[in-house]
Amino acid sequence: NAGVTQTPKFQVLKTGQSMTLQCAQDMNHNSMYWYRQDPGMGLRLIYYSASEGTTDKGEVPNGYNVSRLNKREFSLRLESAAPSQTSVYFCASSPGTDAYEQYFGPGTRLTVT
Amino acid sequence: AQSVTQPDIHITVSEGASLELRCNYSYGATPYLFWYVQSPGQGLQLLLKYFSGDTLVQGIKGFEAEFKRSQSSFNLRKPSVHWSDAAEYFCAVASSGNTPLVFGKGTRLSVIA
Repeated sequence: NAGVTQTPKFQVLKTGQSMTLQCAQDMNHNSMYWYRQDPGMGLRLIYYSASEGTTDKGEVPNGYNVSRLNKREFSLRLESAAPSQTSVYFCASSPGTDAYEQYFGPGTRLTVT
Repeated sequence: AQSVTQPDIHITVSEGASLELRCNYSYGATPYLFWYVQSPGQGLQLLLKYFSGDTLVQGIKGFEAEFKRSQSSFNLRKPSVHWSDAAEYFCAVASSGNTPLVFGKGTRLSVIA
């Protein structure tokens, strides 16, 4: 039981390049989330998926797209990376969105130069 | 809308001293409350949660938190801090209506000898 896994762990991009961050969970959870963490800003929700087949914007969705590929997988895509997207990205999952604890992956550290 | 305030950005305590991290929330109904810990370079791990019942809840690693409805608070405590407790701590409140947890901005704990 791996919990929530994220790939890659580290990534360096040049401005304008695109990439997809992958997230998978093996806990049969319905809901999945993408956050970014920046110093002094705490966790900010980018997008979430309350259930398979649905996605919703969070606090900071601009510059990102997501795909809930199936119940296990939730990917985050940067179409044209910008230095402002340099951050640590966390994926999380939970049985449902409202009254449930979230389980977090180990994070992806992304640098955009 | 729900909100969470962690008034202290950074706290330093001596090893062996007691600890209290503050969390205040804004929520109309009885909230579901969580404390998470993030060690350096790691994802977030759940310390404890409050759903209902006894207002003093015990968590992992010797932590406890007390829910005080009259003060809209859910402060985290530990009687004797260990150097390994140095980390960032996040308070979160669950919402209703199929929307995700709302996180505070975190309190960074430093432990000195």
